[in-house]
Amino acid sequence: DAGVTQSPTHLIKTRGQHVTLRCSPISGHKSVSWYQQVLGQGPQFIFQYYEKEERGRGNFPDRFSARQFPNYSSELNVNALLLGDSALYLCASSLVWGQHNSGNTIYFGEGSWLTVV
Amino acid sequence: AQSVTQLGSHVSVSEGALVLLRCNYSSSVPPYLFWYVQYPNQGLQLLLKYTSAATLVKGINGFEAEFKKSETSFHLTKPSAHMSDAAEYFCAVSEANAGGTSYGKLTFGQGTILTVHP
Repeated sequence: DAGVTQSPTHLIKTRGQHVTLRCSPISGHKSVSWYQQVLGQGPQFIFQYYEKEERGRGNFPDRFSARQFPNYSSELNVNALLLGDSALYLCASSLVWGQHNSGNTIYFGEGSWLTVV
Repeated sequence: AQSVTQLGSHVSVSEGALVLLRCNYSSSVPPYLFWYVQYPNQGLQLLLKYTSAATLVKGINGFEAEFKKSETSFHLTKPSAHMSDAAEYFCAVSEANAGGTSYGKLTFGQGTILTVHP
């Protein structure tokens, strides 16, 4: 079975541009989360979606937005890119939201490396 | 608010030696706790998680961690290090309400880079 897949894997953007990152969760998973990992730091929570509804938002500016589609895939959009947005963007999926029992593990994708120049 | 502190940004051990990676958390209610490993240029892989079933949690690749409420700690150990264990390790917490429902998001520590010498 395929894991969490993210695209693109690497991309370079110029300051002020817009970027869209895509994520396909593991088949059957209905919850998707996005994290930003700046080099040398731990991942920071950006958004969480479950059943196409936003369930959580981290401390990120309004330039960051996301959505979840009927097939449970998700997009992360970042407008007006800044140099500081350069990071690894990780998508994670799980069966459901709000549980961490043995049957509901959070799985991460390989990430999308964004470089803003 | 929940937070995680990983003591030691770099840990170096010899192959075959004990691995001990330290993690302390801050949470107003008993949390869910996790250890993830990240190999270079890859995503995060779950090693183990604490969900209040047992205080000693066994994970993959011979790792285990013990939840100590009195010390607010969740240290990761492995009796004998292998070269393939060299990676960055992240401790994470997910806070829950009084009913045990998680708020979903993970709060990660800064990470500990483990180096294993031959």
